[in-house]
Amino acid sequence: SQTIHQWPATLVQPVGSPLSLECTVEGTSNPNLYWYRQAAGRGLQLLFYSVGIGQISSEVPQNLSASRPQDWQFILSSKKLLLSDSGFYLCAWTPGQLNQPQHFGDGTRLSIL
Amino acid sequence: DAKTTQPTSMDCAEGRAANLPCNHSTISGNEYVYWYRQIHSQGPQYIIHGLKNNETNEMASLIITEDRKSSTLILPHATLRDTAVYYCIVRVNFGNEKLTFGTGTRLTIIP
Repeated sequence: SQTIHQWPATLVQPVGSPLSLECTVEGTSNPNLYWYRQAAGRGLQLLFYSVGIGQISSEVPQNLSASRPQDWQFILSSKKLLLSDSGFYLCAWTPGQLNQPQHFGDGTRLSIL
Repeated sequence: DAKTTQPTSMDCAEGRAANLPCNHSTISGNEYVYWYRQIHSQGPQYIIHGLKNNETNEMASLIITEDRKSSTLILPHATLRDTAVYYCIVRVNFGNEKLTFGTGTRLTIIP
């Protein structure tokens, strides 16, 4: 069966520090991968999605970047964190076929001090 | 993707059926209706989806009106563990397949 892993579960970082969040998917090949952010009390916002290795699409201009070095690996990064980067970050995957639901990881709660 | 409208919050007694409405009056013919829920501090969980026919699985039933402008998610026997925020989403099933989440309905199951 397919599983998705995100880590760390929680992270506290100072303003201006770098960030690296990792997401991996097991048990499937060529998945579509997604990074979302959820600010407190608000809906989910799509940040990036990827349909294959090295293929990244950005949905909103921001302080973050994403990379997909392996088929099963999706990384969210920042060189210098801002206070506004605080939030709940979720990774999701879906098979490459049409009409398949997205499945989410357990998320990373990021607090910027 | 079409937008959806859901009530901000609802209460339901434990053991009763929870009926969560969703309006999607601008839905287009190739858009599916998806339901997810999010329990506090966890990632969203997929529940069910459909195009125009009613659907049922082990978690819930989805009733879509004939004109497809609204739908209802039914949890047949609500338990305390069903307390969560429920999201109704409509999406096109080609291209980048991204989901657009709104603020959803906060469902509270009352003992």
